[in-house]
Amino acid sequence: GESVGLHLPTLSVQEGDNSIINCAYSNSASDYFIWYKQESGKGPQFIIDIRSNMDKRQGQRVTVLLNKTVKHLSLQIAATQPGDSAVYFCAENNRNYGGSQGNLIFGKGTKLSVKP
Amino acid sequence: KAGVTQTPRYLIKTRGQQVTLSCSPISGHRSVSWYQQTPGQGLQFLFEYFSETQRNKGNFPGRFSGRQFSNSRSEMNVSTLELGDSALYLCASSWLDRQETQYFGPGTRLLVL
Repeated sequence: GESVGLHLPTLSVQEGDNSIINCAYSNSASDYFIWYKQESGKGPQFIIDIRSNMDKRQGQRVTVLLNKTVKHLSLQIAATQPGDSAVYFCAENNRNYGGSQGNLIFGKGTKLSVKP
Repeated sequence: KAGVTQTPRYLIKTRGQQVTLSCSPISGHRSVSWYQQTPGQGLQFLFEYFSETQRNKGNFPGRFSGRQFSNSRSEMNVSTLELGDSALYLCASSWLDRQETQYFGPGTRLLVL
């Protein structure tokens, strides 16, 4: 059958504005979450992570918020720059998959476009 | 410190052939995971190796296999290639005690004709 490409949510922001990218995760038992950035032709690049015993974690220009009640994760990028244009993925660690680590389960991604 | 490297970067094969992809993790990393990325399915976990042992496996057919060597380098093999195997194959490595933070290589783009 014909394969259908993922319809990626798209977020378009003006350079200098703040960006908020949202993600709903699936497993209430997941205890570790990561945001990755993937530019065209490259592998995912680690941005920031957060454990389930935290609600918020800040990095350089980025903040991750975790709401375990509604299983929601968000990535905030301050003063968005053209170089931030990429697809952003959230990932959760599924410890139920066996072993001490399990594997990462990725969201479908959000495409961020920054207008100069 | 050098990042995760993958070879080859691009590959074209025909249906029925087999292919082997290689991954060298970040120095000191002992866990290597493989993922398949396609427009239709996104990023999907294939398997994870640690100390030459497969620790976890995703929901892929037996045509997909892998191994890890004593120096932590890993290979994955796909036999009897199908058109649907066309994808970006990504390798990620992590430390022993910070396993969840996985660092990805640039990927191998496989096209099956």
